[in-house]
Amino acid sequence: KNQVEQSPQSLIILEGKNCTLQCNYTVSPFSNLRWYKQDTGRGPVSLTIMTFSENTKSNGRYTATLDADTKQSSLHITASQLSDSASYICVVSGRGSQGNLIFGKGTKLSVKP
Amino acid sequence: GAGVSQSPRYKVAKRGQDVALRCDPISGHVSLFWYQQALGQGPEFLTYFQNEAQLDKSGLPSDRFFAERPEGSVSTLKIQRTQQEDSAVYLCASSLVSDVRLAGEGSTGELFFGEGSRLTVL
Repeated sequence: KNQVEQSPQSLIILEGKNCTLQCNYTVSPFSNLRWYKQDTGRGPVSLTIMTFSENTKSNGRYTATLDADTKQSSLHITASQLSDSASYICVVSGRGSQGNLIFGKGTKLSVKP
Repeated sequence: GAGVSQSPRYKVAKRGQDVALRCDPISGHVSLFWYQQALGQGPEFLTYFQNEAQLDKSGLPSDRFFAERPEGSVSTLKIQRTQQEDSAVYLCASSLVSDVRLAGEGSTGELFFGEGSRLTVL
């Protein structure tokens, strides 16, 4: 069964610190991997999209990495800000049905002052 | 509009009532998705449209759930005889491209989400 597992489930860090969120997947064949940020009560907003040929992609203070061999991705947040408090969701697309965007359960990040 | 618009934002229904949730995608977007998100969980796929054609409805949990997009723009998700387990946030997303699997180099395939409709069934 195609799955996307994220860790940790939740994370608390102090403002200004860095953190790394993990995503492991078993989706095969693989098409692309996305990271979304979802603020409480809002819809998800795209941070990065990577295909199997891309190893790293940055969007401001967010840097995503992808290892298609080990089927692992990470999202690194640098110099965290209070506004980074949100859920971060990893989404993997297979080459099957278009509806086959497999969502992880997300990591809930809390940035404290 | 500038983004994906969903209405109502909040809906409280008594068990057994029918509800209709509306999604206005970004103008010109070909693909439209509906997702169900339970509290503390990631979104779960319900159904997908390419223009007015419903190409995948494998995620609809029962025959009480029905979605349509008759003119290839606005979509409505209807839930008949609501049950308590239907309580969730229903997210709509749209994409400019017809194949979101082609995301990445040369083709964004980016999904734009609405704010969601929170349904509470009492």
